[in-house]
Amino acid sequence: DAGITQSPRHKVTETGTPVTLRCHQTENHRYMYWYRQDPGHGLRLIHYSYGVKDTDKGEVSDGYSVSRSKTEDFLLTLESATSSQTSVYFCAIRKTGGSAGELFFGEGSRLTVL
Amino acid sequence: TQLLEQSPQFLSIQEGENLTVYCNSSSVFSSLQWYRQEPGEGPVLLVTVVTGGEVKKLKRLTFQFGDARKDSSLHITAAQPGDTGLYLCAGANAGGTSYGKLTFGQGTILTVHP
Repeated sequence: DAGITQSPRHKVTETGTPVTLRCHQTENHRYMYWYRQDPGHGLRLIHYSYGVKDTDKGEVSDGYSVSRSKTEDFLLTLESATSSQTSVYFCAIRKTGGSAGELFFGEGSRLTVL
Repeated sequence: TQLLEQSPQFLSIQEGENLTVYCNSSSVFSSLQWYRQEPGEGPVLLVTVVTGGEVKKLKRLTFQFGDARKDSSLHITAAQPGDTGLYLCAGANAGGTSYGKLTFGQGTILTVHP
């Protein structure tokens, strides 16, 4: 158990509304990631963070922003949700001292945009 | 952009059969990881292979990293219904600028029938 909590676990929203997903970790690891999972695409990196206030874009960052004001929290925001952002979102951490980049994932947040 | 091609995408077999899942790329990775994911949960790390030609065994699962560190395979002997799930390969690059980012394959959905 890597002490990762995602909230909300399920959300249904309408096109054009803002949505924020939260990832909370209890072990103070430096690296945190947001991935989305869609059928046939595996997991694709949206944004990642390598420290407080240090974030960068992944391969599918358009339409998403992130913030990390504390080590333990990494927020993913959809400023104006679209139907193409319907997906399952996973937060992950890389444990400090891990030599090969192994990730530990939260349980996911299922987002439906109508 | 690095890509990992995973095959087959779907695999449906009977209990007791053997199977192999492949993960191929034109890029070299410093390490390759295999994850297993069950419905409603996040991926869970099974193994990491780091050295070209490395073979690791985890009970009935055998993982191999190609000599050139561009490909990997997962072989399951005498599959059981409990092996059912989504299997994902993921490649990592070492280095100060990689920040532990992983490139994931599309996944293989394995169903083992009793």
